[in-house]
Amino acid sequence: EAGVAQSPRYKIIEKRQSVAFWCNPISGHATLYWYQQILGQGPKLLIQFQNNGVVDDSQLPKDRFSAERLKGVDSTLKIQPAKLEDSAVYLCASSLDPTNEQFFGPGTRLTVL
Amino acid sequence: DAKTTQPNSMESNEEEPVHLPCNHSTISGTDYIHWYRQLPSQGPEYVIHGLTSNVNNRMASLAIAEDRKSSTLILHRATLRDAAVYYCILIILGGSYIPTFGRGTSLIVHP
Repeated sequence: EAGVAQSPRYKIIEKRQSVAFWCNPISGHATLYWYQQILGQGPKLLIQFQNNGVVDDSQLPKDRFSAERLKGVDSTLKIQPAKLEDSAVYLCASSLDPTNEQFFGPGTRLTVL
Repeated sequence: DAKTTQPNSMESNEEEPVHLPCNHSTISGTDYIHWYRQLPSQGPEYVIHGLTSNVNNRMASLAIAEDRKSSTLILHRATLRDAAVYYCILIILGGSYIPTFGRGTSLIVHP
């Protein structure tokens, strides 16, 4: 089966610019996650969707980050405006349900200059 | 918050068993224990998960303490390809099940 797809793979922007990431989960997976992974650290959950509803976004910096999952399939994560500390790898993952294994995409490496 | 504690790093020789420990003393009865590993420049990869009973799959075994406050991931014969960062995470029941990653253990495998 096809895995989790993410694009772009790499993005370089200047601070205060905007950026958007796209994720296509595995077909049939109801749960979708966005993580931020800063170099040398473990992934930090930003937001979790169950179908097209938000389950948890307690660690999402809502003044600059937003995410949506239209029709319960694809998802986009946006940063507006970006800060230097947003430089990280943004990982998307999906699972059949929250207790089952997560399948991760390759990630998007964001560099903010 | 329920969290996990793992050693920063461990070393093993190729073809020897590896026991990777994880402490989760504040675990609740409904929290699942998942293990993932991450190779350099790749996304995390699922290894194994369990709730109360020990689990085995083709990649590894998961031994869960009777009080569930700790668990051990067992790689039966380490290979060079097993060199990675191993994350023990709790899937915590909140409004739903919320994953909480720790810092992970960097496993070094010597030939």
